[in-house]
Amino acid sequence: DTAVSQTPKYLVTQMGNDKSIKCEQNLGHDTMYWYKQDSKKFLKIMFSYNNKELIINETVPNRFSPKSPDKAHLNLHINSLELGDSAVYFCASSNGQGYNEQFFGPGTRLTVL
Amino acid sequence: QQQVKQSPQSLIVQKGGISIINCAYENTAFDYFPWYQQFPGKGPALLIAIRPDVSEKKEGRFTISFNKSAKQFSLHIMDSQPGDSATYFCAASKGGNNRKLIWGLGTSLAVNP
Repeated sequence: DTAVSQTPKYLVTQMGNDKSIKCEQNLGHDTMYWYKQDSKKFLKIMFSYNNKELIINETVPNRFSPKSPDKAHLNLHINSLELGDSAVYFCASSNGQGYNEQFFGPGTRLTVL
Repeated sequence: QQQVKQSPQSLIVQKGGISIINCAYENTAFDYFPWYQQFPGKGPALLIAIRPDVSEKKEGRFTISFNKSAKQFSLHIMDSQPGDSATYFCAASKGGNNRKLIWGLGTSLAVNP
């Protein structure tokens, strides 16, 4: 069973479109994250939710809106996609926010044309 | 500015050799230092982590050395194998609410057979 799953794995779209990425974890964790990894492999935290509450909101354009319908799901909606949004987006989860391992999903490669 | 500085950016090692990746941090409040390993097309996965109350932690061929006074920590991979070829990230976090990992920029390791 996949611990952290994301859909879709690949997403190719035109500039200006709106798209969503879904994430689900079956580990029973209470904290979930969205990361962006650019072409140089730099990992940047975007958002974090703990028990459906937003706790980390980095300097991210407000075109990006996370939604956590329950503890096991954290979706990412992106409006008005731009070329610079092209990257791999990773969802992750952990048990609490302390010294706890983050488990990453397989990533969603977003390409904006 | 980069709060966790990682070097080198890339590393080539012969099979059986020792791979060494270094990280330096600035914030003395950091109290958790994990290393993550990422294979191509996969999400990062926790490799090994250390707290500042110990100077070294070893798990199999992987060792973290920690120097609190120098604010540096390093990953040593003994008897490096081609299967160790991956990108390695160091990270750090500090206590308190809304704990988040501060990531290094990553090191691409290639182990030649």
